[in-house]
Amino acid sequence: NAGVTQTPKFQVLKTGQSMTLQCAQDMNHNSMYWYRQDPGMGLRLIYYSASEGTTDKGEVPNGYNVSRLNKREFSLRLESAAPSQTSVYFCASSESEGGEPEAFFGQGTRLTVV
Amino acid sequence: GIQVEQSPPDLILQEGANSTLRCNFSDSVNNLQWFHQNPWGQLINLFYIPSGTKQNGRLSATTVATERYSLLYISSSQTTDSGVYFCAGHSGGYNKLIFGAGTRLAVHP
Repeated sequence: NAGVTQTPKFQVLKTGQSMTLQCAQDMNHNSMYWYRQDPGMGLRLIYYSASEGTTDKGEVPNGYNVSRLNKREFSLRLESAAPSQTSVYFCASSESEGGEPEAFFGQGTRLTVV
Repeated sequence: GIQVEQSPPDLILQEGANSTLRCNFSDSVNNLQWFHQNPWGQLINLFYIPSGTKQNGRLSATTVATERYSLLYISSSQTTDSGVYFCAGHSGGYNKLIFGAGTRLAVHP
């Protein structure tokens, strides 16, 4: 049981480049989330998706777009990367209808923008 | 305002000591969870504890939902307990999962 899988694990981008972070879960969860974690800090919510076909902004959405491709997959796109987006990105999923809403996290993507 | 607040921010222990970490949460937050982020950055689920008490080995947690707080107890601490402990809860139904700032624990031999 893989849980939540993120790709890639590491990425270096030049300022202005674009990229998409991929996330997939195999737990049939309805809700999915993207967070960023800066050094020595907690996790800040970028975007979340309560169900397939819906997405909403979190605490720090500027500079990012998301797509809930299907129930399993939730991608995060940086259209024009900036050094301020250097961070570790975590994807998570949880149940939101009927079951216990315990959240599970992927391994993280360490992104450096130079 | 702050929805999930953790204390203390930092904690240093000698191996074998016990500790209590606290998480206060606002009325709009529920379904508390505790996580451990190890030195490699992995977020490990410790407890899903919306109310009541749970135990897992040397760790236990209690949430008193009516008083809006949760406690994580670590007994006989080991160096492998080092890292950051986060509590998190859902805000606005099941849609948003909000984190506290964390408690950074260092256990020395």
